[in-house]
Amino acid sequence: SQTIHQWPATLVQPVGSPLSLECTVEGTSNPNLYWYRQAAGRGLQLLFYSVGIGQISSEVPQNLSASRPQDRQFILSSKKLLLSDSGFYLCAWQSTRELGEQYFGPGTRLTVT
Amino acid sequence: QKEVEQNSGPLSVPEGAIASLNCTYSDRVSQSFFWYRQYSGKSPELIMSIYSNGDKEDGRFTAQLNKASQYVSLLIRDSQPSDSATYLCAVNMNDYKLSFGAGTTVTVRA
Repeated sequence: SQTIHQWPATLVQPVGSPLSLECTVEGTSNPNLYWYRQAAGRGLQLLFYSVGIGQISSEVPQNLSASRPQDRQFILSSKKLLLSDSGFYLCAWQSTRELGEQYFGPGTRLTVT
Repeated sequence: QKEVEQNSGPLSVPEGAIASLNCTYSDRVSQSFFWYRQYSGKSPELIMSIYSNGDKEDGRFTAQLNKASQYVSLLIRDSQPSDSATYLCAVNMNDYKLSFGAGTTVTVRA
């Protein structure tokens, strides 16, 4: 069965500090991978998605970036965090063999102080 | 116009009643539709997928799809306190991306 991991689970970072969030998927190959952000009491905002190694599509221009160095690894980064970057960051995977179902990881709760 | 709209909540239902959640979408070419359940502080969990017009039942959950009306709904029968959560409607707009509604929060009163 497929499993998706995210770490860390929670993170408190000062404004201006760098960020690196990691997501890995087990039990599937060549998945589509996604980063979402959910602000408190808000809906899901798609940040980035990737359909293959090194292939990144950005949905929202901001101070975040994403990379996919391996087939089942997806990384979200920032060089300098803003207060508005606080939120619940969710990684998701989608099987290219299915009709669009996405499965979410446990998430990382980021607080920028 | 938002791509996916859900009925505004919160929705409060007594235990044992039917909770009815509605969702409309704007893109007529959408082909697949999903309902996710999100408990407070947790990540969304897929509970139903529906691809064809009509009803799909899974336990106490029934999803209904009407592509002509661009409408998808979720019924929760015999609601339990454990069903208290936010329910997200999602629509596949193309092969890669899902568009999510803002969610409807359901509270089941014991």
